[in-house]
Amino acid sequence: EVQLVQSAAEVKKPGESLKISCKGSGYSFTSYWIGWVRQMPGKGLEWMGIIYPGDSDIRYSPSFQGQVTISVDKSITTAYLQWSSLTASDTAMYYCARKFNNNWYFDYWGQGTLVTVSS
Amino acid sequence: QSALTQPASVSGSPGQSITISCTGTSSDVGSYNFVSWYQQNPGKAPKLLIYEVTKRPSGVSNRFSGSKSGNTASLTISGLQAEDEADYYCSSYAGSSTYVLFGGGTKLTVL
Repeated sequence: EVQLVQSAAEVKKPGESLKISCKGSGYSFTSYWIGWVRQMPGKGLEWMGIIYPGDSDIRYSPSFQGQVTISVDKSITTAYLQWSSLTASDTAMYYCARKFNNNWYFDYWGQGTLVTVSS
Repeated sequence: QSALTQPASVSGSPGQSITISCTGTSSDVGSYNFVSWYQQNPGKAPKLLIYEVTKRPSGVSNRFSGSKSGNTASLTISGLQAEDEADYYCSSYAGSSTYVLFGGGTKLTVL
């Protein structure tokens, strides 16, 4: 069974750094791109970027380029999303999801990680 | 690149059919058959309903169907059921610079 299990909710202060995780199991982790999707409170979905665990190739949405860093540790089948300096506007639910090969949809999703940034 | 345009809300009675539109441009929906649709229930992760415009993943009811004409894609739900009440999002590939755009989402209310 394909599973993506995300790290627990986080509460941070503005200016702090953060790294959240997404652990994949039940499939060949290095053979599928993993992506991140943001959902701000009461708002829609936003595609942030994807990473290919096989070779760490990364594609960022122009809206998120330079704002976040996507990485992966294939030895523990885990993808990451990180911020170096959080702001209140980073408060959102973040989902990881598996991108189907040679296509542009997400077929399996993690449960989401809620990030709250507040002073 | 702007998000794809969806109506904010639609409604229908049980047993009826409804259609949700998703309007993009010739740079995204109009150029690629990589349109997909997701259903999101409150507090839950999105679930894939339709991919490649018209295809349904295994396990998704055949009451859900997708289509596309020009720059507009559509999701039709037939035989509306109370359990279909949720938010629905479209997405489309938009080329090798933007990659993927989502629609703003449509809240479906089953009356």
